[in-house]
Amino acid sequence: AQSVSQHNHHVILSEAASLELGCNYSYGGTVNLFWYVQYPGQHLQLLLKYFSGDPLVKGIKGFEAEFIKSKFSFNLRKPSVQWSDTAEYFCAMKASGGYNKLIFGAGTRLAVHP
Amino acid sequence: GAVVSQHPSRVICKSGTSVKIECRSLDFQATTMFWYRQFPKKSLMLMATSNEGSKATYEQGVEKDKFLINHASLTLSTLTVTSAHPEDSSFYICSAPMGNYGYTFGSGTRLTVV
Repeated sequence: AQSVSQHNHHVILSEAASLELGCNYSYGGTVNLFWYVQYPGQHLQLLLKYFSGDPLVKGIKGFEAEFIKSKFSFNLRKPSVQWSDTAEYFCAMKASGGYNKLIFGAGTRLAVHP
Repeated sequence: GAVVSQHPSRVICKSGTSVKIECRSLDFQATTMFWYRQFPKKSLMLMATSNEGSKATYEQGVEKDKFLINHASLTLSTLTVTSAHPEDSSFYICSAPMGNYGYTFGSGTRLTVV
């Protein structure tokens, strides 16, 4: 079955710390991968996406993610977080032949302290 | 950019009544709309996929008769929660696929059934 796993449910960091959020997917075929952010009280925003090509994807707000096919992973990184990065982060996958539907991970709640 | 307008943003209804949630694509034609439900501090669960001019496809475990989906035109998809009960209280989000861009999301509807 197609699924997305996010291992860190709740992460607490201080400002300027580095961030890495884990994401693994379960599917044997071609996938498109996404990271979304949901700030408190707001709707989902796309941070970055991977469709093909360079496995290192750069997104908005200084975020990047690396697609490692052999590990079925798409971890999100940011070298130095800010208080404004406090939000919920969702990894998502669209599987080929999956009728375009997006499958989400459980989400990671990030709290950044000043 | 492509926008999906979702209304209402908040609704409170009495048990046993029905509530309709609308999602309109404002500057593009959405042949497909996905409907998600997000529980507090949880991820987005895909409920169903609506396709313009045909019956919606429901995910396993989602009651078709409870969550009626209509996609009568290329710019409007609706979700009606029938005979709502307190356990139906949740955050409902629609989303349309945007090809290489990914997906665009509505701003969500917070339903509270009292």
